Amino acid sequence: QVTLRESGPALVKPTQTLTLTCTFSGFSLSTSAMCVSWIRQPPGKALEWLARIDWDDDKYYSTSLKTRLTISKDTSKNQVVLTMTNMDPVDTATYYCARFVITLDYFDYWGQGTLVTVSS
Amino acid sequence: QSVLTQPPSASGTPGQRVTISCSGSSSNIGSNYVYWYQQLPGTAPKLLIYRNNQRPSGVPDRFSGSKSGTSVSLAISGLRSEDEADYYCATWDDSLSANYVFGTGTKVTVL
Repeated sequence: QVTLRESGPALVKPTQTLTLTCTFSGFSLSTSAMCVSWIRQPPGKALEWLARIDWDDDKYYSTSLKTRLTISKDTSKNQVVLTMTNMDPVDTATYYCARFVITLDYFDYWGQGTLVTVSS
Repeated sequence: QSVLTQPPSASGTPGQRVTISCSGSSSNIGSNYVYWYQQLPGTAPKLLIYRNNQRPSGVPDRFSGSKSGTSVSLAISGLRSEDEADYYCATWDDSLSANYVFGTGTKVTVL
């Protein structure tokens, strides 16, 4: 079955770089039409899409955050990594990774999310 | 701030019908399919409706979606206590380099 799990630091300091890893199973990111996205949700607020990486290594970023984001994949390890530079307290949020299948056109499986707090 | 606007809250008693609206523009809802996600307290979102009005297997037919122009609606009929959750509309926005955008979210309370 398909599972995704986010991992990374629970606490980062302002100006630091955040690195999050999404480890997944049940599918391969080398299979056509498979993609993984990152989505975040500040406490009590709405969901915000951040980035996506596709099976063919195409990458897409939120227009408002693209200067701070980098997404990459390691197909052999079934992992997707998101880095976000220059972290600020407003970046405090639960960060989710989710599978996106081009032929379905929606997020069908989500990780449980990981809460990242930005504070000095 | 999201480009998709939803009412912050909606409520009803068990058995009632509740409708949630989501308003956008020609560059997002007006030209793309819309999706609805349900987020139960403390959990990750789950797909509820895809391509405006289609239900994935396992989603009760009490949930239905519709679209008209640059707005969409989610209706929950026969409201149940387990429907108490946050609901988000979502779609692509062609004016934002085809970014995926979520609505502002609606909290549904079962009275």
